[in-house]
Amino acid sequence: GAGVSQSPRYKVTKRGQDVALRCDPISGHVSLYWYRQALGQGPEFLTYFNYEAQQDKSGLPNDRFSAERPEGSISTLTIQRTEQRDSAMYRCASSLTTGRPSGANVLTFGAGSRLTVL
Amino acid sequence: AQKVTQAQTEISVVEKEDVTLDCVYETRDTTYYLFWYKQPPSGELVFLIRRNSFDEQNEISGRYSWNFQKSTSSFNFTITASQVVDSAVYFCALKTSSTGANSKLTFGKGITLSVRP
Repeated sequence: GAGVSQSPRYKVTKRGQDVALRCDPISGHVSLYWYRQALGQGPEFLTYFNYEAQQDKSGLPNDRFSAERPEGSISTLTIQRTEQRDSAMYRCASSLTTGRPSGANVLTFGAGSRLTVL
Repeated sequence: AQKVTQAQTEISVVEKEDVTLDCVYETRDTTYYLFWYKQPPSGELVFLIRRNSFDEQNEISGRYSWNFQKSTSSFNFTITASQVVDSAVYFCALKTSSTGANSKLTFGKGITLSVRP
């Protein structure tokens, strides 16, 4: 697609429920990132993929959080047994890995999924 | 460890004033990249600029300009003749190569800019 698409845009759930957040990256983008942004804070890294391989999951806060990208395109971030502290904006970004030094790659972000856990 | 500090939290100006948003970064890497992103009220994150550590030339794009100074580890952003549409949260971010081929972006906490008519 033309941009990074995330769904749902808003999700309200009760404590203890599982939620799945979806990200559809820009077509052809190799790398996909998940970030979490608490109110009044900057985005914080959760995990990223190159193609279907999860390269770094060091930012996932605990084992209730998991992510997958089975076919190297769409990704799902799953939070099991949600807690109120999980309430935040969850942002997905993608980048095109080229022959340039990869640190230079610009991340294009989606509009985010705002999760509220009651 | 890498860190980005945006000491200003909220700035309010009147339209047509110039405003500078400060960003100070910390990294031990000699190769790194600095970014600014804008988050308007609609919530998306919009890329504004990328600068690598080997290029200290200042950059101007319309009303926007960026001042990169390695000596003070700063990458400040100036908006000239501010407009109401500039009202947003602005994030400075740092990316190094120390954590792998596709290293993660480290963001500051953001600066909320309000431009009053």
